[in-house]
Amino acid sequence: EVQLVESGGSLVQRGGSLRLSCAASGFSFITYGSSWVRQAPGKGLEWLSYISRDSGTIYYADSVKGRFTISRDNAKNSVDLQMNSLRDEDTAVYYCVRTGYSHGYLYFDYWGQGTLVTVSS
Amino acid sequence: SYKLTQPPSVSVSPGQTATITCSGEKLGDKYACWYRQKAGQSPVLVIYQDNMRPSWIPERFSGSNSGNTATLTISATQAMDEADYYCQAWDSTTAEFGGGTKLTVL
Repeated sequence: EVQLVESGGSLVQRGGSLRLSCAASGFSFITYGSSWVRQAPGKGLEWLSYISRDSGTIYYADSVKGRFTISRDNAKNSVDLQMNSLRDEDTAVYYCVRTGYSHGYLYFDYWGQGTLVTVSS
Repeated sequence: SYKLTQPPSVSVSPGQTATITCSGEKLGDKYACWYRQKAGQSPVLVIYQDNMRPSWIPERFSGSNSGNTATLTISATQAMDEADYYCQAWDSTTAEFGGGTKLTVL
């Protein structure tokens, strides 16, 4: 069974930093990319970042470029999201998402249960 | 940035066919995905690569994509299909989601 378990969400001050982690199990982690997607309270989905299976390709949304850093450790089957200079609008549930690849195309096929980040002054 | 537009809400009677649209400039030149999110749950992949169903999605769900519009069709809609549905596509190196459509089965 594919499992993605996020951790690290908490209440953090505006301007502060936080590191989210995602532990993957139930599949061959090294054969899939990983992404982070967030959802602000009562709002829609917002993609944040993607990292390929070998960390050779990394993408970021403009809204987090320069503030967030994605990384992965294939030996530990984990992917992290380092978040700096946090703003009120970063308050959201953050999902770790397994990212499949087919015909030159990426898709989000399994989602974690999410971890809540609250940014407050 | 690339924008995907969905109707905020769609209503359907049980047993009828629900159609949810997603519009974007030349969306048909890209691959579209659809995700279902039930209240209080994480999103679930419903359709990928325009019209492919993951193994956990029943045949009642189908997708198409042409021109500027991708469409998710749910046949014989059931109460359990009530959820928010999001379309998604890649614009170069950026993944974009539509604003979501709340499907009500009544």
